[in-house]
Amino acid sequence: SQTIHQWPATLVQPVGSPLSLECTVEGTSNPNLYWYRQAAGRGLQLLFYSVGIGQISSEVPQNLSASRPQDRQFILSSKKLLLSDSGFYLCAWSGLAGQETQYFGPGTRLLVL
Amino acid sequence: AQSVAQPEDQVKVAEGNPLTVKCTYSVSGNPYLFWYVQYPNRGLQFLLKYITGDNLVKGSYGFEAEFNKSQTSFHLKKPSALVSDSALYFCAVRAFPSGNTPLVFGKGTRLSVIA
Repeated sequence: SQTIHQWPATLVQPVGSPLSLECTVEGTSNPNLYWYRQAAGRGLQLLFYSVGIGQISSEVPQNLSASRPQDRQFILSSKKLLLSDSGFYLCAWSGLAGQETQYFGPGTRLLVL
Repeated sequence: AQSVAQPEDQVKVAEGNPLTVKCTYSVSGNPYLFWYVQYPNRGLQFLLKYITGDNLVKGSYGFEAEFNKSQTSFHLKKPSALVSDSALYFCAVRAFPSGNTPLVFGKGTRLSVIA
């Protein structure tokens, strides 16, 4: 069976510090991968998605970036965090076909102070 | 462009009563429709999806949803609500044929089941 991991679970960072969040998927190959942010327990904002190694689509211009160095690894980064980057970050994966379900990881709670 | 509307920010029902969480969608072409549930400080959990075939889809935890093409709706239902159903519910859509495109999510509906 497939599983998706995110770490860390919780992170408190000062403004201006760098960020690296990691997501890995097990039990599947060549998945689509996604990063979402959720503010205040409400709607999901799609940040990035990837259909293959080194292929990243950015949905929102901001100070975040994403990379996919390996088939089942997706990393969210920032060089300098802003207060507005606080939120709940969710990684998800899906198969390639249109009817495929997206499966979400447990999330990372980021607080920027 | 694809979009999903969840017209109610919050739904409150009494335990044991039936519940409905509403969702309408807009796509060019045929839709793939999904429902997810989120408990506090957790990721989203998949409940059910409509791809094709029977308009009534049954999913996890006794939930079901009915696809209505003429009304472009996909409402989530459960015959008898439990307190443990209290959570945030998301509807999502992807158009067919879509290739490798992310799901488009609604803003979520917070369900509160009162004992």
